[in-house]
Amino acid sequence: KAGVTQTPRYLIKTRGQQVTLSCSPISGHRSVSWYQQTPGQGLQFLFEYFSETQRNKGNFPGRFSGRQFSNSRSEMNVSTLELGDSALYLCASSLGQPTYNSPLHFGNGTRLTVT
Amino acid sequence: AQKVTQAQTEISVVEKEDVTLDCVYETRDTTYYLFWYKQPPSGELVFLIRRNSFDEQNEISGRYSWNFQKSTSSFNFTITASQVVDSAVYFCALSELRNFNKFYFGSGTKLNVKP
Repeated sequence: KAGVTQTPRYLIKTRGQQVTLSCSPISGHRSVSWYQQTPGQGLQFLFEYFSETQRNKGNFPGRFSGRQFSNSRSEMNVSTLELGDSALYLCASSLGQPTYNSPLHFGNGTRLTVT
Repeated sequence: AQKVTQAQTEISVVEKEDVTLDCVYETRDTTYYLFWYKQPPSGELVFLIRRNSFDEQNEISGRYSWNFQKSTSSFNFTITASQVVDSAVYFCALSELRNFNKFYFGSGTKLNVKP
C-alpha cells in the first residue's frame, strides 16, 4: 500500500509570493491533517480535513488555508509568504475515526524556504 | 491546557546500551491518546505506538517497550540493546478524544547511537 505522498519535496519562494503544497493520502483514508515543523516552534497543528470539510484548525493566521477534494487529496496554500513561514510542512492521513488501528501516517514533508 | 514535555533534548549512547526517552504530558480530558513517533533524517514521522488513557498496560515490541503511568502523567519509551539504526529524533504526542487528530507534540529527543 502506498504511503502518504507530498509534492513537491522542496520549494524556494520569495517573500510576498504564495505557494501551494499537495498531499495524497493513503488509499481509503478520509482524513488529512497538516503540520508545520520549525526548529523554534517544533511541530504545530495547522488544520484537518475530513470528507472535504475542515474539521479542526490550529492557531495560524488566515494566510494559511487548505482544501480537500472528493478523492481525499488535499492542498495547502500559504499566501503573502513571510520569512518565518520557512519550515517543513508535513501532511498526515488517517481513517478519521479514533479507533485503535487508525493512527496518523505522515508523509516525507515539503521543505519550504522563503527568501 | 494540553502540553507534552520531553526534557531530554539529545542523548548519546553506545551501541547495545539501553536508553529511556522520557515524556510527561498534561491534559484535563479523561479520554486521550498518547503516541510515539520516530523521525529519521529523511523527515517522515514514523508511527511507533499509540496508547489510550484507559489502558495503562505496558507494551513491548521487540527491543522497544513503553511504560505508561497515569499517576505521574508519563509515557516513557525504552530501547533495549540500541543499534545505530535507532539514531533519529523521537517525538511523544498527545491528542484528546474531542479532537483526536489534533496532536500536541513534544519538542523531541535526538538519539545518537554510536557504534
